[in-house]
Amino acid sequence: GAGVSQTPSNKVTEKGKYVELRCDPISGHTALYWYRQSLGQGPEFLIYFQGTGAADDSGLPNDRFFAVRPEGSVSTLKIQRTERGDSAVYLCASSPLPGLAGVTQYFGPGTRLLVL
Amino acid sequence: DQQVKQNSPSLSVQEGRISILNCDYTNSMFDYFLWYKKYPAEGPTFLISISSIKDKNEDGRFTVFLNKSAKHLSLHIVPSQPGDSAVYFCAASGSSGSARQLTFGSGTQLTVLP
Repeated sequence: GAGVSQTPSNKVTEKGKYVELRCDPISGHTALYWYRQSLGQGPEFLIYFQGTGAADDSGLPNDRFFAVRPEGSVSTLKIQRTERGDSAVYLCASSPLPGLAGVTQYFGPGTRLLVL
Repeated sequence: DQQVKQNSPSLSVQEGRISILNCDYTNSMFDYFLWYKKYPAEGPTFLISISSIKDKNEDGRFTVFLNKSAKHLSLHIVPSQPGDSAVYFCAASGSSGSARQLTFGSGTQLTVLP
C-alpha cells in the first residue's frame, strides 16, 4: 500500500517568505507527527496530531511555525517569515493507533527546505 | 541535554561479520524503543522495536537487546550485508501524555565493506 507522502520534495525560498509543507499520511492512520532534521542530527519532534486536533505542539520552535490537519488526514506545516536557520529536512510520520504508547511511526521521505 | 545518545558516529564492518550499534538513554520514563534505518535523501525506515517488558527482540538478521538497569540498548545485525550500509537511528518513546513523540539519537553511519 501507499506510504506517507510529502510534497514538495524540495523547497528553496528566500528569507522572510512564507512556506507550506504538505503531508499525506498512510490511509487510516489517525496519529500524525512532524519532525525536523538538521544536518548530522536525528529528527526532532515538532507537533503531534490525534485526529484533527494538535495533541502536543511543544516542539514548535516559535510562533512562526503552525500546523493544521482540518479533516484528520492531510496535514500542512506552515512557516511564516522564514529564516536561514529554518533550513532542514522536515519529516512527517503517521501511526495506526491513536494515543497508544509504543506504536511504530512510519515516515515519509521528507521535504528539504533551504532558506537563502 | 540529549536524552538518547548514540556515541559512535560511524562504524565499519566486513561483509558477513556482526554489526553492533549502541544506544544509551537517560529518561527512565521511556518504555518503548525503536531502530530506524535511513538512506540518503529518504525518510527513516522502521527496522525493529522492543518494549521495556522485554530484554530481546529478534527479526531475521536483526536483534535488539535492552538492558533497562543500564539504560542501554543495542542492535545486532548478523550477517552484515553491503545493503545494510546506512545511518541507523535509535529512538525512544514514553507511555503517557505528550510522551508519544519519538526522541532520536544522532545516528550511527554503518558501512559494510564487501
